[in-house]
This record gives sequence, structure tokens and C-alpha cells, in this order.
Amino acid sequence: QTVVTQEPSFSVSPGGTVTLTCGLNSGSVSTSYSPSWYQQTPGQAPRTLIYSTNIRSSGVPDRFSGSILGNKAALTITGAQADDDSDYYCVLYMDSGISVFGGGTKLTVL
Amino acid sequence: EVQLLESGGGLVQPGGSLRLSCAASGFTFSSSGMSWVRQAPGKGLEWVSTIARSGGSTFYADSVKGRFTISRDLSKNTLYLQMNSLRVEDTAVYYCARRGYCSSTNCYHYFDYWGQGTLVTVSS
Repeated sequence: QTVVTQEPSFSVSPGGTVTLTCGLNSGSVSTSYSPSWYQQTPGQAPRTLIYSTNIRSSGVPDRFSGSILGNKAALTITGAQADDDSDYYCVLYMDSGISVFGGGTKLTVL
Repeated sequence: EVQLLESGGGLVQPGGSLRLSCAASGFTFSSSGMSWVRQAPGKGLEWVSTIARSGGSTFYADSVKGRFTISRDLSKNTLYLQMNSLRVEDTAVYYCARRGYCSSTNCYHYFDYWGQGTLVTVSS
């Protein structure tokens, strides 16, 4: 069974930089998995941040960036702001047409 | 402007059925893959099902395979999710999402637009 792993929680100070990661229980994450990232606040639909590893979705500030770090996909927030306090989810796309969400990271900005 | 509007949620007893709808507008529905994603109360997001751009291929999470059926009506620009043999653990907000896009050289597999969701509660 494919399991996508994320840190359950993270905290960052306002103005600081944080990197959230997205791993795979069965091996390394590469660009071929088309990693994408989503932000969600309570009671709201998810918002698309990053797709195809490092392409920012329309309207997403450039303080959000995506990459591959080592054997994981990564989302870096540079200059964190109070309204970045949210849940963040990564998704990996399997060739079989299946998508798998990570368990999400609750980011606290304080 | 892309809009996705889900409907059809509600309270249903275990073992019952429900059909969700997602009315799409603002893009070429017939050229787009579409997906359903759900979120149980207090839990994370879970991919449920995808229908390919062509409409000829459908994919399901193991947790719903054999019970749920995704389909679309191109004449109505509407996506459906037929849910049968519902279980308590199917209780969730169900989101409709567009499945990325294709350029002349590449297809991007992600969820680029989302609806606001419809709540399905399975309880006796």
C-alpha cells in the first residue's frame, strides 16, 4: 500500500522560513510523481499552491516554492505571514491514474 | 471564471445510496479530467475517484472500489458520483475538483479548481 508521509505539525515565526516535506513509504519521490501542494483553512475548500513539483498556481505569492530535496518533495515558505497558518497537503500522482494525499501538516505561525 | 458547484449531499442510513452532482462552468468540460476528493470530519483529504478527459477511463480508491461510480453528462456539464452500500466511514465533505490541464506538450496531473463541497452523513 502506498503511503505518502508528511510532518504532522510544524511551527514558524512570522517572517521566518519553513520547509515542509512529502515522502513515500516505498521509495523516493521524484518529479515523475508530479508532486502538488494544497493549503486549507478550517471550513474552506483547499487552495492549490504548487503543481508539477515547482510550478506556482495562478495568484500564489512567490514566497511559496516547491522542489525535490533529497528523496522527498518539499514546500518552502519564505517570509511566513500570519495567514499562512493553515493545513498543507501534498499529493503524488501514480501512473495508474491514482492520486495519493499525504496526511497533511498543520503549520502554526507564531 | 471556473465554477464547480456540488449538490446532493445529506443524511443517509448505512447501506443506503446517494448521488452527488457537480455542475461545472467556465471551462471546456468535455476536455477535462475530473475528480472527487473527500474529507472526513477532523481528518485529512482523501482522493476518491477520477474520470479521465476522454471519459473512457475511471479510477477509484480501494476504499470505495465496487461501491462508488463516477460518471459525467457532457450535455449538462455535470459530474456525478453514485455512492452505494454506504458506510459510516464514508461520512465526509465531498469536493469536486478539476483534474489539471494539458498543454501542447504535457499533461499536468493535479487538482487545479475545487468546489465548495457537499456534506454526506451516513448514520442510523
